[in-house]
Amino acid sequence: DVKVTQSSRYLVKRTGEKVFLECVQDMDHENMFWYRQDPGLGLRLIYFSYDVKMKEKGDIPEGYSVSREKKERFSLILESASTNQTSMYLCASSLSGNNQPQHFGDGTRLSIL
Amino acid sequence: GDSVTQMEGPVTLSEEAFLTINCTYTATGYPSLFWYVQYPGEGLQLLLKATKADDKGSNKGFEATYRKETTSFHLEKGSVQVSDSAVYFCALRTSGSARQLTFGSGTQLTVLP
Repeated sequence: DVKVTQSSRYLVKRTGEKVFLECVQDMDHENMFWYRQDPGLGLRLIYFSYDVKMKEKGDIPEGYSVSREKKERFSLILESASTNQTSMYLCASSLSGNNQPQHFGDGTRLSIL
Repeated sequence: GDSVTQMEGPVTLSEEAFLTINCTYTATGYPSLFWYVQYPGEGLQLLLKATKADDKGSNKGFEATYRKETTSFHLEKGSVQVSDSAVYFCALRTSGSARQLTFGSGTQLTVLP
């Protein structure tokens, strides 16, 4: 089974802090994704990566950056956290190919105070 | 662009009732279709998928048939259980789509004993 592991289930940080969310997958997937999930807004794609050191903006990249130095690891960075970034963050990975599903981690519930 | 429209929730059923959650899509290519389930406090899990017209995906008593003529992928279960209470997401993936998965807004299902 594919395993996508997010480093924290719950995280509390303060406004202005630099926040790192880590995601690791163990199935040698080319593609990795970061989403945020908010009530009434569904899942929104922040960034994704289709290869090491490659990244593409999703629908809501403002205030975020990402890093993919190794194939198995994809980090989401909040450069200066703000209260409107309080949310559930979901990481996913997938193989390339039209019929390949994305596999999700358990999520990180981030609160910015 | 690609889009997925899901039945508005929340949906509340009694145990052993029949479930249908409607999903229709618009896609420029020839998509693969997926249903994901999210249990409270967890990430998304792949429930089932179908990759071509008339395919039926099935898992854990849930079924969905890829209907190209009606651009639909409705989720059904003959007899729901309390443990099926969750949020269900319909999604599609087309080749050449850089962000790869387009999600519906999700349907909250509550099953009462």
